Amino acid sequence: GQNIDQPTEMTATEGAIVQINCTYQTSGFNGLFWYQQHAGEAPTFLSYNVLDGLEEKGRFSSFLSRSKGYSYLLLKELQMKDSASYLCAVVDSNYQLIWGAGTKLIIKP
Amino acid sequence: IAGITQAPTSQILAAGRRMTLRCTQDMRHNAMYWYRQDLGLGLRLIHYSNTAGTTGKGEVPDGYSVSRANTDDFPLTLASAVPSQTSVYFCASSDSGTGGYGYTFGSGTRLTVV
Repeated sequence: GQNIDQPTEMTATEGAIVQINCTYQTSGFNGLFWYQQHAGEAPTFLSYNVLDGLEEKGRFSSFLSRSKGYSYLLLKELQMKDSASYLCAVVDSNYQLIWGAGTKLIIKP
Repeated sequence: IAGITQAPTSQILAAGRRMTLRCTQDMRHNAMYWYRQDLGLGLRLIHYSNTAGTTGKGEVPDGYSVSRANTDDFPLTLASAVPSQTSVYFCASSDSGTGGYGYTFGSGTRLTVV
């Protein structure tokens, strides 16, 4: 079966750095997305990785290792508005998105 | 404003009733999707359409039907609602059905079946 694992919940302090991990086992791989979802709102696109390595975009970076079936989202200089759920999703061999259950990130002052 | 519009925003529905959730996009995206999101389970694909005139079944299609008569509209119908269909429903679209393009989501429909 296809499976994506993320921690259910994480807590971090404002101004700090946090890394949210995602491991996957899917039938094929055609890329990995990270989305942010604030409570009661729709998911919004953060990043897309298809090749190994680190993609940096402002305070957010996303890393991919295809051989290890592993990705992480790194958030720097955390702000209170970063409190949200972060969803990892993998594009499988049929070009369908397989979603993880999401990681709820709680930022404390 | 470009994007996806879903209606209604929320609905309480009696079990056994028929309901259509509406989804309209104005970005001319060729692919559209319907997901349900339940606590602890993440987003699950119900149905999808890679282009107007075609539809396909996702992970959890039972009890739901869709149509794609044109590029912009992708309604989801519950023929006879059951309490297990209580969920938040998101419509999404992308510029390609082959991955690599970010999905744009509507604001969601919160459906409660009683």
